[in-house]
Amino acid sequence: EVQVVESGGGLVQPGGSLRLSCAASGFSFSSFWMHWVRQVPGKGLVWVSRINGDGNRPTYADSVKGRFTITRDNAKNTLYLQMNSLRAEDTAVYYCAGDADTSGWSTFEYWGQGTLVTVSS
Amino acid sequence: DIQMTQSPSSLSASVGDRVTITCRASQSISRNLNWYRQKPGKAPNLLIYAASSLQSGVPSRFSGSGSGTDFTLTISSLQPEDFATYYCQQSYKTPYTFGQGTKLEIK
Repeated sequence: EVQVVESGGGLVQPGGSLRLSCAASGFSFSSFWMHWVRQVPGKGLVWVSRINGDGNRPTYADSVKGRFTITRDNAKNTLYLQMNSLRAEDTAVYYCAGDADTSGWSTFEYWGQGTLVTVSS
Repeated sequence: DIQMTQSPSSLSASVGDRVTITCRASQSISRNLNWYRQKPGKAPNLLIYAASSLQSGVPSRFSGSGSGTDFTLTISSLQPEDFATYYCQQSYKTPYTFGQGTKLEIK
């Protein structure tokens, strides 16, 4: 059974830092591209970042570039998102998603339940 | 960035109805288009990938079509669990972008 579980969310002050974790099981984690997607409650989905299976090709949305860092530990089947210099507009539910690359097509097939990050003083 | 525009933003329908949601990309994305359903308080769920391929385990009442810039998602006979929000997403190039969502409500 596939399981994807995010953790690490919470309340942080503007300018602060937070590290999100995403623990995966039930699929070949090291073979999957992994993504972070966020969603302001009641609003739409926004792609944040992705990283390849080897962990050496991260990509970021412009809105987080230079502030967020995506990494992974394949030995632990865990994805991370280090978030620095947090702003109020970073407040959202953060989802981790596994990209199954189905038949050569990028597909966000495995999702976690999300973790809420609230940036407020 | 590639902009994805869905229409309508909301839709009222009844169980058993056939509904169609459209998605337009601001530039050609070939068939790199996915559809997701999101129920309240839950993570999105992949329905259709590569514009028209049905994800494993997804009921056959869901279908997708299109290529280039114009795409559609059709639900042939609405079931109670289909009242949710639907998103298209382009995976042609990063930053991957989603449509703004279509909320499907019970009439």
